[in-house]
Amino acid sequence: GAVVSQHPSWVICKSGTSVKIECRSLDFQATTMFWYRQFPKQSLMLMATSNEGSKATYEQGVEKDKFLINHASLTLSTLTVTSAHPEDSSFYICSARSIAGGPYEQYFGPGTRLTVT
Amino acid sequence: GQNIDQPTEMTATEGAIVQINCTYQTSGFNGLFWYQQHAGEAPTFLSYNVLDGLEEKGRFSSFLSRSKGYSYLLLKELQMKDSASYLCAVSNDYKLSFGAGTTVTVRA
Repeated sequence: GAVVSQHPSWVICKSGTSVKIECRSLDFQATTMFWYRQFPKQSLMLMATSNEGSKATYEQGVEKDKFLINHASLTLSTLTVTSAHPEDSSFYICSARSIAGGPYEQYFGPGTRLTVT
Repeated sequence: GQNIDQPTEMTATEGAIVQINCTYQTSGFNGLFWYQQHAGEAPTFLSYNVLDGLEEKGRFSSFLSRSKGYSYLLLKELQMKDSASYLCAVSNDYKLSFGAGTTVTVRA
C-alpha cells in the first residue's frame, strides 16, 4: 500500500515552454501533497505544500507564478513549470500524506527528471 | 531556520557496520526520519524517531537524542545493495527538512 506515482518519469523540453508533472496517490487519499526539487548531489528542497481544494503554500524563494500547483482531488496534484529555463533542469519529487496514516509520514513518488534545453 | 548536518561520504566493507551521524538545529521538531535514496530514484522510508532512544528494524537501527539535537543511523551486516545515499530529515509542522545526504559506498 501507500503507492505514489509520478508522470512523466522524465521529460526534455525547450527553453520557454511549459511542462506539467502529475503526482497521484494510487491506493490512498492524500490530505496534503508536497513538491520537492533536488539538484545533482544536493538534498531535497521543499518547494511547496498543497492541500486538496486550496491554494498551495510556497517556500521562501520559490516563485509561485513560475511553479503552478493544482491539487484538484485527494489523489492528484500537478506541478506546472512555466516558461522553463535551463536552470530549472532538476529532479522533481512529490510526496503525499495519507488521511489515514501517521501525521508525519510522507510517501514519495519516483520522481520526474526535467531537462530544459 | 533549519540546519541539518551529516557527513558527505562514508565507505565500508561488505559485512561491516557503519554509523551515519546527523546533527540538527531546527525551529520546531515533530520527529526525525531516515531515508535511503538510490541514484535517480525517490527516497524510501527507513525509520522514524520521535522519542529519545534506539529504534531497531532488522539490520537498520536509528537513535535519537532530542536534547543534543543528534541522531544516528546504524547499518549492520552491510550488503552491496546498501550502497546509496542516506538522508536525515527533520519534521516540523508536517514539513520535512532534509540534510544533504551521506553517500555510503560498500566495497567487497
